Amino acid sequence: GDSVTQMEGPVTLSEEAFLTINCTYTATGYPSLFWYVQYPGEGLQLLLKATKADDKGSNKGFEATYRKETTSFHLEKGSVQVSDSAVYFCALSPHNNNDMRFGAGTRLTVKP
Amino acid sequence: GAVVSQHPSWVICKSGTSVKIECRSLDFQATTMFWYRQFPKQSLMLMATSNEGSKATYEQGVEKDKFLINHASLTLSTLTVTSAHPEDSSFYICSARDRSYGTQYFGPGTRLTVL
Repeated sequence: GDSVTQMEGPVTLSEEAFLTINCTYTATGYPSLFWYVQYPGEGLQLLLKATKADDKGSNKGFEATYRKETTSFHLEKGSVQVSDSAVYFCALSPHNNNDMRFGAGTRLTVKP
Repeated sequence: GAVVSQHPSWVICKSGTSVKIECRSLDFQATTMFWYRQFPKQSLMLMATSNEGSKATYEQGVEKDKFLINHASLTLSTLTVTSAHPEDSSFYICSARDRSYGTQYFGPGTRLTVL
């Protein structure tokens, strides 16, 4: 079935470092792809999404490009801040389907 | 943006009691709501999908008699954990799919601790 595999954490970076969190997917058809962020003790917040190949989702300095040829949706940010410390989940929603499949989550800690 | 609320945000109960968790879409109508469970430091696992006015569809391995889901209106779904046991302790998160745009929005979660 459809699934998402993302880079295992935890990831620890210094402030202003470059961030990449890898995400690859397996799906039949053309899913929509998402990145969600979960701050400590809170629910999930949609960070960005892309609904078709070559789309780039971006928000708050984060971006990810839907790469059909490599079945990837890697999350990047050029300069992380302490406030970016959270758990990041990659997810997919199969085309025309209500369901959403999540990756295992990657915990990011940014140190001053 | 669209908001989904959950109540309560946390609950502690004794083993054997039942606990009801509410999920509301505050500014949009949701024909479909989802219930997820998240164990510490793990990902979200879909428990069930509920459509307004019909029975919920449960994922494999989820006991429907244990986790009762009701989706009585376009803005409210409830999850009742019946005869709760310590192994039911978890973070329960709901999400609601916007009827108009199809986007899924997540609630803040409910932390259940069963003593």
